[in-house]
Amino acid sequence: GENVEQHPSTLSVQEGDSAVIKCTYSDSASNYFPWYKQELGKRPQLIIDIRSNVGEKKDQRIAVTLNKTAKHFSLHITETQPEDSAVYFCAAGSGGGADGLTFGKGTHLIIQP
Amino acid sequence: DAGVTQSPTHLIKTRGQQVTLRCSPKSGHDTVSWYQQALGQGPQFIFQYYEEEERQRGNFPDRFSGHQFPNYSSELNVNALLLGDSALYLCASSNSGTSNQPQHFGDGTRLSIL
Repeated sequence: GENVEQHPSTLSVQEGDSAVIKCTYSDSASNYFPWYKQELGKRPQLIIDIRSNVGEKKDQRIAVTLNKTAKHFSLHITETQPEDSAVYFCAAGSGGGADGLTFGKGTHLIIQP
Repeated sequence: DAGVTQSPTHLIKTRGQQVTLRCSPKSGHDTVSWYQQALGQGPQFIFQYYEEEERQRGNFPDRFSGHQFPNYSSELNVNALLLGDSALYLCASSNSGTSNQPQHFGDGTRLSIL
């Protein structure tokens, strides 16, 4: 089955700086890669997703890149703000997003004032 | 427009007991997936229900079973509870007929096994 590795487990950045979280996946059949943000005690919320037919997607301060050959995808957050502090999960799935997702173990992002 | 709702919010059981968790999908969604999230870990896929049948299953024992009703709501049943079943159980819904539809999560049920 699919295996998703996520790094780093904890990331501390100064407010206003950029943050990058990286994930790798093992199953070449995976074609859907969402990123979820989970604040303490709350539900995971989708912040951005990308499908295997594109290499990059942006939404304001957030961007995701995908390298299918290397089976690697990354989340980039620019101009970080205190409200960006949370745990971020990457995930991989097939069926264009219709199938069950395999999640990474999460990255605790800490924004230092 | 109601999102994904789950009940109960919290539940305490003892080893060997059985539990049923419930999920109502987001309006317009027909597919329900269940995930188990242990403390400090990412969610793990248990199974997915579509058209009242289990469509896909993750690496969980058959103590974990489910059901989907005609109104698309779903139940997760766990028999012979173990201490290791303590976790946050998340339900996610999506629409099978709409391309590019992501999975939307509920707030989860926190299950504690004593």
